[in-house]
Amino acid sequence: GAGVSQSPSNKVTEKGKDVELRCDPISGHTALYWYRQSLGQGLEFLIYFQGNSAPDKSGLPSDRFSAERTGGSVSTLTIQRTQQEDSAVYLCASSPLRGYEQYFGPGTRLTVT
Amino acid sequence: SQQGEEDPQALSIQEGENATMNCSYKTSINNLQWYRQNSGRGLVHLILIRSNEREKHSGRLRVTLDTSKKSSSLLITASRAADTASYFCATDISGGSNYKLTFGKGTLLTVNP
Repeated sequence: GAGVSQSPSNKVTEKGKDVELRCDPISGHTALYWYRQSLGQGLEFLIYFQGNSAPDKSGLPSDRFSAERTGGSVSTLTIQRTQQEDSAVYLCASSPLRGYEQYFGPGTRLTVT
Repeated sequence: SQQGEEDPQALSIQEGENATMNCSYKTSINNLQWYRQNSGRGLVHLILIRSNEREKHSGRLRVTLDTSKKSSSLLITASRAADTASYFCATDISGGSNYKLTFGKGTLLTVNP
C-alpha cells in the first residue's frame, strides 16, 4: 500500500519568507509526527498528533513554527519568517497508535538562503 | 551522554562479517527502537523492543536490551554491502499525554564488498 508522502521534496526559500510543508500519512494511522534533521545529526522531535486530540507541541523550537492536522489525516508544518538555521530535512512519520513503530516519509529538504 | 547515544559513531567492516552497534540511554523507557537511514532521507523501522523484553530477532538482525545497564545492542549478522547505512536507536520515554521519542546521532555502517 501507499506509504507516507511528503511535499515538496526540496524547497529553497529566502530568509524571512514563510514556508509550508505537507505530510500525507498512511491511511488509518492515528498518530503523526514531525521531526527535523540537520546535516550529520540525529532527529529532533518537533510535534506529535494523536487522532483529534490537542497536539504535543513540546518540541517546536520557536513560535515561528506551527503545525495543523486536518480531519485527522493530512498535516501541514508552517515555518514563518524563515531563518538560515531552519535549513534541514523535515521528516514526517505516522504510526497506527503512539508507541508503535513509525513509518517515515522521504522528507523535505529545506534550504534557507 | 544524551538520551539515546549510539556507539561507535562509525563502523567499517567487510561483507560477511557481523556488525554490532550499541545504544546507551539515561532514563527509564517504554520501548527502544532501531531505525536505518539511507542517503540522509527517510528512515526505515527495523525492530521495536519493549522494556519488559530482553531480546528480539528479525531475519539477520538481533537486538538485546539491558534495562539495568540502560543499554541496547543491534547485531547484524553476515553483513552485505546493501546494509551500508546510518543506524539510529530511539528511546520512547512518553508519559501521559506527552510524547517523547528521542533519537541518537547514529552509527554510520560501511560494509565493503
